[in-house]
Amino acid sequence: GQQVMQIPQYQHVQEGEDFTTYCNSSTTLSNIQWYKQRPGGHPVFLIQLVKSGEVKKQKRLTFQFGEAKKNSSLHITATQTTDVGTYFCAGPRGGGSNYKLTFGKGTLLTVNP
Amino acid sequence: DTAVSQTPKYLVTQMGNDKSIKCEQNLGHDTMYWYKQDSKKFLKIMFSYNNKELIINETVPNRFSPKSPDKAHLNLHINSLELGDSAVYFCASSSVTEAFFGQGTRLTVV
Repeated sequence: GQQVMQIPQYQHVQEGEDFTTYCNSSTTLSNIQWYKQRPGGHPVFLIQLVKSGEVKKQKRLTFQFGEAKKNSSLHITATQTTDVGTYFCAGPRGGGSNYKLTFGKGTLLTVNP
Repeated sequence: DTAVSQTPKYLVTQMGNDKSIKCEQNLGHDTMYWYKQDSKKFLKIMFSYNNKELIINETVPNRFSPKSPDKAHLNLHINSLELGDSAVYFCASSSVTEAFFGQGTRLTVV
């Protein structure tokens, strides 16, 4: 079945360094979503990408959806301590509905001040 | 107003007991889920409901029984709790664009 793979599993950076996490699906996705979970918190929606090759920005965060709609990335420029948390990508399995929103294993980002 | 609320936040119980976790959403979404997050932080889907109908049961032991009395509620009942059931359980609801998660229930089985 469809799997959503995410790398790296962990990333430790110095404050001010950049960070990137990558997400790959075994099948074409109708859309991909990104979530952030702070330590002790719950996953919070960041963004959804729908179109092939789409790029969206939220301040220091840049999200990309691959041309084949099978991979995605999240890049953070000049990390801050507030960026600490686990970043998950998620794709709906089985078409466009969100019935089976499958998550990658997440990338835990820690930032050294 | 909390969009997705689940109770209790913490649950400590002995092996063999039966427990329930409640979830309610006030977003008007048709789709609701239960996810299990283990110590490695992997978010594993357990159940998905759409308009009170079970859509997905992701090979969860039948000791876990979800119940959706209406589309705003999705409760989870667990029978005969085992040590391996210890985890954080998240309820979520979604539109076609995004999912909203509850605060989570940290279940500890001793």
